[in-house]
Amino acid sequence: SAVISQKPSRDICQRGTSLTIQCQVDSQVTMMFWYRQQPGQSLTLIATANQGSEATYESGFVIDKFPISRPNLTFSTLTVSNMSPEDSSIYLCSVEDHLGGPLYGYTFGSGTRLTVV
Amino acid sequence: LAKTTQPISMDSYEGQEVNITCSHNNIATNDYITWYQQFPSQGPRFIIQGYKTKVTNEVASLFIPADRKSSTLSLPRVSLSDTAVYYCLVGDWSGRRALTFGSGTRLQVQP
Repeated sequence: SAVISQKPSRDICQRGTSLTIQCQVDSQVTMMFWYRQQPGQSLTLIATANQGSEATYESGFVIDKFPISRPNLTFSTLTVSNMSPEDSSIYLCSVEDHLGGPLYGYTFGSGTRLTVV
Repeated sequence: LAKTTQPISMDSYEGQEVNITCSHNNIATNDYITWYQQFPSQGPRFIIQGYKTKVTNEVASLFIPADRKSSTLSLPRVSLSDTAVYYCLVGDWSGRRALTFGSGTRLQVQP
């Protein structure tokens, strides 16, 4: 299965600043997904990033707040802009893994734990 | 995507078999049932996937009745390291759609 390197693993940031999270995959993938997991909660999809096109954002998430880059088939970044304490969460990237036949799984990075003070 | 319902939490002891049931009454014909495991401070990890009857791998078994409106994840002889959140997901992901997570089941294994 794919191996994902996500950086940074954690950060503490001042409100009003921005943080860029990087996601590097060891193989070429068509689609990459970005999730947010608030403390004690489940995962919520932020956006889907295809290489060479604009990311598709889910309801409640906008490009100005969470700009995404996808410069090639192995790399993506998510920026959390103009941060407030409400942005304190774990941010995870994910890629699809083809398991063979009709089976598909998804591999996740280990996440970036963001604390905004 | 089919809505899933699973218990919020479960407790068990080391060495016991744990069964987590997930309801998915409006599962579609092309949908598969997939379970993920998430440890604290880690991303979710694929455990098992199935369409019908029984699937078994080195980690778990998945039981799916004929009507496919529910499924049961079975973890044999759990250990403390099985303490995690377990998510049941239902969908057809051959079209490269993202996963939609429900609330999951928080399993606590006691010594």
